[in-house]
Amino acid sequence: GDSVTQTEGQVALSEEDFLTIHCNYSASGYPTLFWYVQYPGEGPQLLFRASRDKEKGSSRGFEATYDKGTTSFHLRKASVQESDSAVYYCALSDPLGYKLTFGTGTSLLVDP
Amino acid sequence: NAGVIQTPRHKVTGKGQEATLWCEPISGHSAVFWYRQTIVQGLEFLTYFRNQAPIDDSGMPKERFSAQMPNQSHSTLKIQSTQPQDSAVYLCASSQKEVFFGKGTRLTVV
Repeated sequence: GDSVTQTEGQVALSEEDFLTIHCNYSASGYPTLFWYVQYPGEGPQLLFRASRDKEKGSSRGFEATYDKGTTSFHLRKASVQESDSAVYYCALSDPLGYKLTFGTGTSLLVDP
Repeated sequence: NAGVIQTPRHKVTGKGQEATLWCEPISGHSAVFWYRQTIVQGLEFLTYFRNQAPIDDSGMPKERFSAQMPNQSHSTLKIQSTQPQDSAVYLCASSQKEVFFGKGTRLTVV
C-alpha cells in the first residue's frame, strides 16, 4: 500500500536557521502530495500541496518540490522563526483523491 | 465560519463503556472523514462519507467501531465496549476541495 516516510522525528533549530525535513513516498500512480502543520490542541492544517512532477508548493516561506524521480517532497524554509515550532506532516492522497496517508510527523522546535 | 466542530473535546470512559464522538462539518462540505491519532501509530484514516453516504470504512476496526452520518450537519463515531488501546485523539475533517480538520476529541479509556 501507499506509504510516506519522514526520517526526522525531531528537529531543534535556532531562529534564522535553515530548515529541511525529508519526505519520501511510495505509491502507485501519481499521488497528490501535501505538507500539513499541527499546533498543540489543534488539528492538522494544510500548508500546501503539489500534484505533478516538478511542481513547487509554497506557503508562509515554506516550500517543497514534487520529485517523481526520487519520490521525494522535502520541506524547506530559509529562515525559521520561533512561531514555526509545531509538528509537520508529509502526506499523500490516493488516486481517488480523498484518503490521506500521513508520515509519522516531525516535531520542530525553534529557540529564540 | 467556525470550522469543523468536534464535541466533546475530552472524554474519559471506563473500560467496557460506550463512547460517542460528535462532529459538525463545515456547512456546504460534501465529504466527511474520521481519523485517529496516537503517538505510536500516528494519523490513521478510519472512514469517509460523501453526501452522507458511507464510501470507505477500510480503516475502521472490524469490531466495536461504527460511524454514521444521519444528516449533512453531523456525523458520529461510536465505540462500543471501549478498551485502553482505544485511547487516542479522534479527528473529524470535512472537505469540498481542501480538507479541514477539527480540533479533535481526546478519548481516554481508564
